Amino acid sequence: AQKITQTQPGMFVQEKEAVTLDCTYDTSDPSYGLFWYKQPSSGEMIFLIYQGSYDQQNATEGRYSLNFQKARKSANLVISASQLGDSAMYFCAMRDPYSGAGSYQLTFGKGTKLSVIP
Amino acid sequence: GAGVSQSPRYKVAKRGQDVALRCDPISGHVSLFWYQQALGQGPEFLTYFQNEAQLDKSGLPSDRFFAERPEGSVSTLKIQRTQQEDSAVYLCASSSHALRTDTQYFGPGTRLTVL
Repeated sequence: AQKITQTQPGMFVQEKEAVTLDCTYDTSDPSYGLFWYKQPSSGEMIFLIYQGSYDQQNATEGRYSLNFQKARKSANLVISASQLGDSAMYFCAMRDPYSGAGSYQLTFGKGTKLSVIP
Repeated sequence: GAGVSQSPRYKVAKRGQDVALRCDPISGHVSLFWYQQALGQGPEFLTYFQNEAQLDKSGLPSDRFFAERPEGSVSTLKIQRTQQEDSAVYLCASSSHALRTDTQYFGPGTRLTVL
């Protein structure tokens, strides 16, 4: 079974500084996808960034980048120049292998609560 | 364009009551997922629809949980005879196709509290 581990229940970062949120994963499937979502207190899960297992380069989206180390099975999220609005829960997720039933559901970690300090 | 919407945003039910939670996916999206998020946890998969067909219901915790998407757009998650352990946020997500590379876009969720 697939597993996502986020070892940091909470993180603090000074405004305008960079922060790294850790994510390790376990899968036997050679083809997989990794996602990061942001969940503010309002509850909506906001898609941030995606990394495919065969992608040659690390994914980047604006201030978000993914430090993908395949051999170590880690996919850490880096947020540069933190803003107060970045305070939220952050979830790492992996797309499950094809189940044969036609779905590609996500398996999520327990999340990291990021607090940005002014 | 409009994102995924869910209603109601909050629902309080007495133990034993039936509840119905609605999801309006992004227009034209083929795939629709339901997830359950307990307090302090990440979301967990409940069920999946491809158009109107429910192809995977392996995550539904009991036969009290039922979901439908009769016309391939709006979906309803129904919980019969609610129990306190059903208290959670129920998230709906949709994606444009049924491809491995698709991104799932989530709604704001329905917070269900069972007293």
